[in-house]
Amino acid sequence: GQNIDQPTEMTATEGAIVQINCTYQTSGFNGLFWYQQHAGEAPTFLSYNVLDGLEEKGRFSSFLSRSKGYSYLLLKELQMKDSASYLCAVPGNNRKLIWGLGTSLGVNP
Amino acid sequence: EAQVTQNPRYLITVTGKKLTVTCSQNMNHEYMSWYRQDPGLGLRQIYYSMNVEVTDKGDVPEGYKVSRKEKRNFPLILESPSPNQTSLYFCASSFGGRSTDTQYFGPGTRLTVL
Repeated sequence: GQNIDQPTEMTATEGAIVQINCTYQTSGFNGLFWYQQHAGEAPTFLSYNVLDGLEEKGRFSSFLSRSKGYSYLLLKELQMKDSASYLCAVPGNNRKLIWGLGTSLGVNP
Repeated sequence: EAQVTQNPRYLITVTGKKLTVTCSQNMNHEYMSWYRQDPGLGLRQIYYSMNVEVTDKGDVPEGYKVSRKEKRNFPLILESPSPNQTSLYFCASSFGGRSTDTQYFGPGTRLTVL
């Protein structure tokens, strides 16, 4: 089957580094997405990984290990505005995205 | 500005009163989709459209209708809304129809059915 697991909630302190994990099971692999969603707002694209390794985009980095079915999103120098839900998604069958339930990150001052 | 727009943003209605939520994109995207998002259930796809006059069911299509008469518009129709359709609805679009294409979301419509 196809499945995505993410922790439900995490908290961290402003200025710290936090790692949000995502494990997935798919029949065939076509990359992995990370989206950010602030409460009550639309999801917005953060990253798309197809190859193994770490991709860095400013304070945000995304890592992928296809052999382990595992990805993580790394947020550095946390800011209050990073408080949001982070959604992991993988392309599934029939042109659909399989979405995780999201990890709600709270950043404390 | 490239964007997906939805209207209305907030709607409170009563059971059985037909409503339409509009969605429009100005990016010439072929693929458009409707999702609903509920606590503990995440994003679930309602319907999607690969192009004009081509629509297909997603994971939770019951109680909804869509149409795609023009490339830019993809309205969501609730013929007879019920309280279990109270939810946050998002329209999304992407350039092509591949599941590997980045999706761009509208701002959301919060619907309450009494």
